Amino acid sequence: SQQGEEDPQALSIQEGENATMNCSYKTSINNLQWYRQNSGRGLVHLILIRSNEREKHSGRLRVTLDTSKKSSSLLITASRAADTASYFCATDPGSARQLTFGSGTQLTVLP
Amino acid sequence: GAVVSQHPSWVICKSGTSVKIECRSLDFQATTMFWYRQFPKQSLMLMATSNEGSKATYEQGVEKDKFLINHASLTLSTLTVTSAHPEDSSFYICSALQGAVETQYFGPGTRLLVL
Repeated sequence: SQQGEEDPQALSIQEGENATMNCSYKTSINNLQWYRQNSGRGLVHLILIRSNEREKHSGRLRVTLDTSKKSSSLLITASRAADTASYFCATDPGSARQLTFGSGTQLTVLP
Repeated sequence: GAVVSQHPSWVICKSGTSVKIECRSLDFQATTMFWYRQFPKQSLMLMATSNEGSKATYEQGVEKDKFLINHASLTLSTLTVTSAHPEDSSFYICSALQGAVETQYFGPGTRLLVL
């Protein structure tokens, strides 16, 4: 069964605005990763944050991790229409490196 | 960067037939590959973990006799859906691990439609 839940399930914003997506999980993790999926396509890795990290940046992306609350957030700043996609968090418990995916957030950026 | 391909990208078949999906790591050796299934507007569900030269490990609820996985080389894993039925229609995605790198590299997916 899925470990993670994401909210919101769907988010619609105007180009230029910021988008924030949240992910909650249930068990201990080694790292948490965020992926993007365009409709009907494969997944693109965005960013990985380890359990001993609290915040990470990559370009317009900012990820936070709160292991005490078992939650993470993904912030996309200055959104573009091309950011329209589904975003998934995935947790890696450690040695087996099997990912468990969250339910996903469908982001729509309106031009 | 590491590239993973899948073939075919989509397939339509009749109920009762078998379908083989290939997953290849194009520019790296993958000791471990994973197979996922994704239903429309849902998340990815791990089906099995495939290690080169050994039997695949299936997740609970996934029938290993129905979803045959072969990881015969360090660059190729295949998933065969045997005696496919309409409920097997889904988007199948593979991913591969490159050595000790923590990131999984995903293929573009294969859309299966069973009539």
